[in-house]
Amino acid sequence: AQKVTQAQTEISVVEKEDVTLDCVYETRDTTYYLFWYKQPPSGELVFLIRRNSFDEQNEISGRYSWNFQKSTSSFNFTITASQVVDSAVYFCALSGYNTDKLIFGTGTRLQVFP
Amino acid sequence: DARVTQTPRHKVTEMGQEVTMRCQPILGHNTVFWYRQTMMQGLELLAYFRNRAPLDDSGMPKDRFSAEMPDATLATLKIQPSEPRDSAVYFCASAEGAEQYFGPGTRLTVT
Repeated sequence: AQKVTQAQTEISVVEKEDVTLDCVYETRDTTYYLFWYKQPPSGELVFLIRRNSFDEQNEISGRYSWNFQKSTSSFNFTITASQVVDSAVYFCALSGYNTDKLIFGTGTRLQVFP
Repeated sequence: DARVTQTPRHKVTEMGQEVTMRCQPILGHNTVFWYRQTMMQGLELLAYFRNRAPLDDSGMPKDRFSAEMPDATLATLKIQPSEPRDSAVYFCASAEGAEQYFGPGTRLTVT
């Protein structure tokens, strides 16, 4: 069975702080994809990143970075120098290589205060 | 900037009424998904299509929900009859590969 766990329900930080959102996954597939989506207060789901299971290189995109570690089945997301506009619910998701189904975690609500 | 569009954005209806939600996927995307988001259950996949053919609708209550793709530019999700427990945000997403792009959602309230 596939499962995604986001243990942090809610995180509050002050602007300019760094924050890491945790994601732990379970799958029996040897090949799979991992994703992060952002859901701002407006409600839409915004795609942030996709990683393949065979590519463990960390990725950086501006203030965002992702740490994928197969050994611990984790795909953590760090926002450096957080801003108020980063306030949103962030979802981690998993899909098998041969399936289109996305299994979502329960989300982490991030609040960034000025 | 290609986007998935959904109509209506908000719908309030009375229990027992039929509800139809529409989705226009991104042009060229061959896979279309319907998700439901509630506070209790989070994001759940209801059904999805590839090249307009239904691939999986196991997440959908079959007795009242139906999903179709009349053509490549339109996907519909219908609830008949609607019940208060159907109140949720319904998202459509489309994909060409592994990355799914979501529409803005339809917020459904059934009273």
